[in-house]
Amino acid sequence: AQSVTQPDIHITVSEGASLELRCNYSYGATPYLFWYVQSPGQGLQLLLKYFSGDTLVQGIKGFEAEFKRSQSSFNLRKPSVHWSDAAEYFCAVGLPYSSASKIIFGSGTRLSIRP
Amino acid sequence: SQTIHQWPATLVQPVGSPLSLECTVEGTSNPNLYWYRQAAGRGLQLLFYSVGIGQISSEVPQNLSASRPQDRQFILSSKKLLLSDSGFYLCAWKDGETEAFFGQGTRLTVV
Repeated sequence: AQSVTQPDIHITVSEGASLELRCNYSYGATPYLFWYVQSPGQGLQLLLKYFSGDTLVQGIKGFEAEFKRSQSSFNLRKPSVHWSDAAEYFCAVGLPYSSASKIIFGSGTRLSIRP
Repeated sequence: SQTIHQWPATLVQPVGSPLSLECTVEGTSNPNLYWYRQAAGRGLQLLFYSVGIGQISSEVPQNLSASRPQDRQFILSSKKLLLSDSGFYLCAWKDGETEAFFGQGTRLTVV
């Protein structure tokens, strides 16, 4: 069955430090890959997406992610975090060829920023 | 441009009462529509999806149902709410093989 794993439930980093959020997926083919961010009590905003081509993807707010097919991973990175980056981050996979092109989400990683 | 509206933003309902959450999309035709539930610390669980009017698929057995009476309207319902139905409900839409766009969500508390 398809699944998305975000192994880190909660991460705390200092402002200005680098960040890497991990994501692994299980799917029989190469899925579409997404990272979303959610502020408390809000909907989800797309940070970046990968459909094909260059495996290093640039997104909004200075984020990037790298697709590694051999590791079934799509980790999110930012070289220097800001206090405003504190939020919940969700990795998701889109399932091409599935009914309604469903998108499956990981359980999320809550990011806290230490002043 | 496309927009998605979801209401109400918050809702407190007693156990056993009915539920109706509504989602509408503007600026697109024949979108795929989705209902997700977000329980505390558990990520987003896909509940229902629809590829067209009157076409509903359920992902998990539960106390809820969904309907799509019009092309851009998606409704989540329950006849009798349970405590376990509490959570944050998100509506989303897609147009083919793209990312999903989300509404602002409804916080449902069943008391």
